[in-house]
Amino acid sequence: DAGVIQSPRHEVTEMGQEVTLRCKPISGHDYLFWYRQTMMRGLELLIYFNNNVPIDDSGMPEDRFSAKMPNASFSTLKIQPSEPRDSAVYFCASSFGQAAGNTIYFGEGSWLTVV
Amino acid sequence: GDSVTQMEGPVTLSEEAFLTINCTYTATGYPSLFWYVQYPGEGLQLLLKATKADDKGSNKGFEATYRKETTSFHLEKGSVQVSDSAVYFCALRGGYALNFGKGTSLLVTP
Repeated sequence: DAGVIQSPRHEVTEMGQEVTLRCKPISGHDYLFWYRQTMMRGLELLIYFNNNVPIDDSGMPEDRFSAKMPNASFSTLKIQPSEPRDSAVYFCASSFGQAAGNTIYFGEGSWLTVV
Repeated sequence: GDSVTQMEGPVTLSEEAFLTINCTYTATGYPSLFWYVQYPGEGLQLLLKATKADDKGSNKGFEATYRKETTSFHLEKGSVQVSDSAVYFCALRGGYALNFGKGTSLLVTP
């Protein structure tokens, strides 16, 4: 059974360029999460969706960040324009149902470097 | 709001030593508690979880008990191996998303 699939695994881009990160959640899962991991701030929740609808985007750092989920099997996180401080690992995760005990499964992450 | 505090490390142990990584939490309601592990260059994997007070989660020789009275969920392993070298994250899920601790880096030497 495939897990959460993210692409690209690694991305190096120049400041000012647009970056698009992609995610395919586990089939049947109705919650999708985007997290960012940095040394300074640890793991931060950026945004999450329920049934393709954004529920809480209060963690999105600024207007340069946007996320979409056009269908149940695909989500994107876009940064435009990118800046060096956006360098981080971006994780997509998914789960089924809202019960606190349900496991949230993570992808392998997209390792972004902005130079 | 909900939060998790864990010892930051790094923790360095010799192979076969006993491991404890402390984790305490603050939450309203009845959260579930998790330990995730991140091996170098990889994503987050669920290690174990507990969904109510006094539950013990266990996996791969690791254990943690959900202690409501002390608001703790300490991770333990009786005999660590070099292959256990990783970063360990304690996390809490009270609502829809996970709140993570800062992570504890563990290095096990032969």
